[in-house]
Amino acid sequence: GAGVSQTPSNKVTEKGKYVELRCDPISGHTALYWYRQSLGQGPEFLIYFQGTGAADDSGLPNDRFFAVRPEGSVSTLKIQRTERGDSAVYLCASSSAGGVGETQYFGPGTRLLVL
Amino acid sequence: GQQLNQSPQSMFIQEGEDVSMNCTSSSIFNTWLWYKQDPGEGPVLLIALYKAGELTSNGRLTAQFGITRKDSFLNISASIPSDVGIYFCAGENYGGSQGNLIFGKGTKLSVKP
Repeated sequence: GAGVSQTPSNKVTEKGKYVELRCDPISGHTALYWYRQSLGQGPEFLIYFQGTGAADDSGLPNDRFFAVRPEGSVSTLKIQRTERGDSAVYLCASSSAGGVGETQYFGPGTRLLVL
Repeated sequence: GQQLNQSPQSMFIQEGEDVSMNCTSSSIFNTWLWYKQDPGEGPVLLIALYKAGELTSNGRLTAQFGITRKDSFLNISASIPSDVGIYFCAGENYGGSQGNLIFGKGTKLSVKP
């Protein structure tokens, strides 16, 4: 079956612009996670959805970052007024139920470059 | 916040060699995970550890969950060229958010020139 997919695979934008990054989780997975991975670093947690609701958004760096999952499947990460420091790989993961010990399956990521 | 210290940062392997890497933390985790990431891909889970002291194998990979719950190691035996990539440890706590994995900075495995 299909894994987690993310679009676009690459995004180049200018400082100050708005971007949307999309994640399609594995079909039937109720839990969805967003992480950000800077060059030479491990992924850093941003936000976790259980169904349509954000169960934990403590990793969002500031109010320029926002994510939605209106129907409990596809999720969109939105970044307003992008800054050069937002350049990173944005990874999405999903798991079956989101419980403790549930395996998180990662997508290939969206590489965002802010010029 | 919680941080994981992963070492070594990088290492070179020759085919057939055994490889060892480890991860330590100043705080306790309930689950330790080891992931591998290839260029242009997302991390893929290799081994998950759920109990202190647990020793788990997956083919040529062996990982252990430290007794103190503050450390873990990953061994790769008889390395092969496709083992190159970046290996990440990650910890998970049962309290608080159940989605919040804390990752180390990774160990990069390369082939000896």
